[in-house]
Amino acid sequence: QLQLQESGPGLVKPSETLSLTCTVSGGSINSSSYYWGWIRQPPGKGLQCIGSIYYSGSSYYNPSLKSRVTISVDTSKNQFSLKLSSVTAADTAVYYCARTVLAAAERFDPWGQGTLVTVSS
Amino acid sequence: DIQMTQSPSSLSASAGDRVTITCRASQSISNYLNWYQQKPGKAPKLLIYAASSLQSGVPSRFSGSGSGTDFTLTISSLQPEDFATYYCQQSYSTPRTFGQGTKVEIK
Repeated sequence: QLQLQESGPGLVKPSETLSLTCTVSGGSINSSSYYWGWIRQPPGKGLQCIGSIYYSGSSYYNPSLKSRVTISVDTSKNQFSLKLSSVTAADTAVYYCARTVLAAAERFDPWGQGTLVTVSS
Repeated sequence: DIQMTQSPSSLSASAGDRVTITCRASQSISNYLNWYQQKPGKAPKLLIYAASSLQSGVPSRFSGSGSGTDFTLTISSLQPEDFATYYCQQSYSTPRTFGQGTKVEIK
């Protein structure tokens, strides 16, 4: 059964860079059938797609975050990563990684458990 | 960006009730619509994809319908474990966007 697990610092200072890694187990990230994505959810609020990456390195970012986001993939480690620069308190959220299924209606399944990142000095 | 609007934002229902949640897209998205369930402190879980296809392992009391701009998620007989927040999500265009959520609470 495919599982995803986010890891990284839970506290980031304003203006610094948020860095998270998603480790995929129970399956290979090297698949033409999936993208691998990041979604975030501010406390008590809704869900926002950040971006996704293909095993080849081809990536897509939400235009609202594009200038600050980098998503990368390490197929040798079966991991993909998120970097979000120049963070502010507005970037405080639970960050989820998820597999993006590229069939019929593209959908996110499964999701990691999520990790809370707080931006504060 | 395509805006997704859910109604109601919250509802109270009893176990055994039939519950319907509506999702409206700001433009036509064909059937590129997914539904997720999220329980407190947990990640969202895929319930329905392509507007009406039931994800493997999801109970058959969940169903989805609609096309174009208007979609519904129906729970035919609400069970105690169904009290949660439900989100729709469009995958017609980028950026992928979610509705604001509908919280289903115990009456």
